[in-house]
Amino acid sequence: SQQGEEDPQALSIQEGENATMNCSYKTSINNLQWYRQNSGRGLVHLILIRSNEREKHSGRLRVTLDTSKKSSSLLITASRAADTASYFCATVSGNTPLVFGKGTRLSVIA
Amino acid sequence: GAVVSQHPSWVICKSGTSVKIECRSLDFQATTMFWYRQFPKQSLMLMATSNEGSKATYEQGVEKDKFLINHASLTLSTLTVTSAHPEDSSFYICSARDQGSGNPDTQYFGPGTRLTVL
Repeated sequence: SQQGEEDPQALSIQEGENATMNCSYKTSINNLQWYRQNSGRGLVHLILIRSNEREKHSGRLRVTLDTSKKSSSLLITASRAADTASYFCATVSGNTPLVFGKGTRLSVIA
Repeated sequence: GAVVSQHPSWVICKSGTSVKIECRSLDFQATTMFWYRQFPKQSLMLMATSNEGSKATYEQGVEKDKFLINHASLTLSTLTVTSAHPEDSSFYICSARDQGSGNPDTQYFGPGTRLTVL
């Protein structure tokens, strides 16, 4: 079953702009993770935010977590054409494996 | 960093044949590996959890007799799609947790195997 719902499903922006993707989930979590997938490839782990954290940064990535609203956002600043990919949020509850959302397809136009 | 490999990266087979996909953790031991399936432009759906030395745990709706999982060592899990049919055509991705690391909740993913059944 899927836990997360990403919003928007697709996003197209110009290079240099910021991209914001949102994720909502349904149950209590231990942590929430964001992954990137280039077309036809495996997943690359971007960032993990624990349930007791509210914000985390990694390079051009900024992730927020609001457990009261059961939502998270991923912000990519100063986007590049190479950022074009699908982005998935995934949650961990207890000792379960990752449960993925439907993903956001990001297109960065040079 | 932790690396997971899959073999083959793609396979084309005839309907009715069986296909084996290997998933290896290259620089860490994984007592647990996971198998996901992804249809075009869709998300990853967990098929089963592979446990070293014991039976796999399958998600609801996944036929265990059709998708055979063997986790014979701490670095290798295999998924065999038996009597494959065109509707089994998909992208199969495995992952593993490096539970000996400082990030036991992070799953490391293989590059995926594209299966096409004719």
